[in-house]
Amino acid sequence: GQQLNQSPQSMFIQEGEDVSMNCTSSSIFNTWLWYKQDPGEGPVLLIALYKAGELTSNGRLTAQFGITRKDSFLNISASIPSDVGIYFCAGQWESGGGADGLTFGKGTHLIIQP
Amino acid sequence: NAGVTQTPKFRILKIGQSMTLQCTQDMNHNYMYWYRQDPGMGLKLIYYSVGAGITDKGEVPNGYNVSRSTTEDFPLRLELAAPSQTSVYFCASTKVRLAGSYEQYFGPGTRLTVT
Repeated sequence: GQQLNQSPQSMFIQEGEDVSMNCTSSSIFNTWLWYKQDPGEGPVLLIALYKAGELTSNGRLTAQFGITRKDSFLNISASIPSDVGIYFCAGQWESGGGADGLTFGKGTHLIIQP
Repeated sequence: NAGVTQTPKFRILKIGQSMTLQCTQDMNHNYMYWYRQDPGMGLKLIYYSVGAGITDKGEVPNGYNVSRSTTEDFPLRLELAAPSQTSVYFCASTKVRLAGSYEQYFGPGTRLTVT
């Protein structure tokens, strides 16, 4: 099956610092999605990317869909305490006309020290 | 809109027991999904449905069954619970944005322990 490698696995940063994480895949995807999960909650969609090379922002978050369609990155600028959580990348390749599920990375655990 | 809702939030089962995890969405989404999340891992797809009456297997379907009699509901059934099914289960539904592009929205999860 398709594999997603997400890095880093965890990050310990100071409040106010910028954050960068990325995902790489062995296969190409049509869609890249970035989610944030708080403890005891379901993943919440942050940014969706649909075209190779696309760069999209959502407030302090910026994500890009790699030109090769096999990678994506997420940047968070000027981190604040509520950014703490687990960030997941997810890719989707629709095959056969059906709405196949997402392939998820293992997550990046972001910890912010005040 | 309540979005995607799941019940129960927590459940403890004994080995061999059965149960149904409920999922409902009020966004009129055609596509719905069940995932499981094991500690320190991403989510893995169990089953999905592209519309009422249509279901299909995902990556890890063994030990589970689903049905989709209405657009709103997509229950997940465990017939003979096993310790390997201890996990957090998430239901999701999809808003179709463009042909071939989908944004999935998740429920809050059901935490299941099988002992």
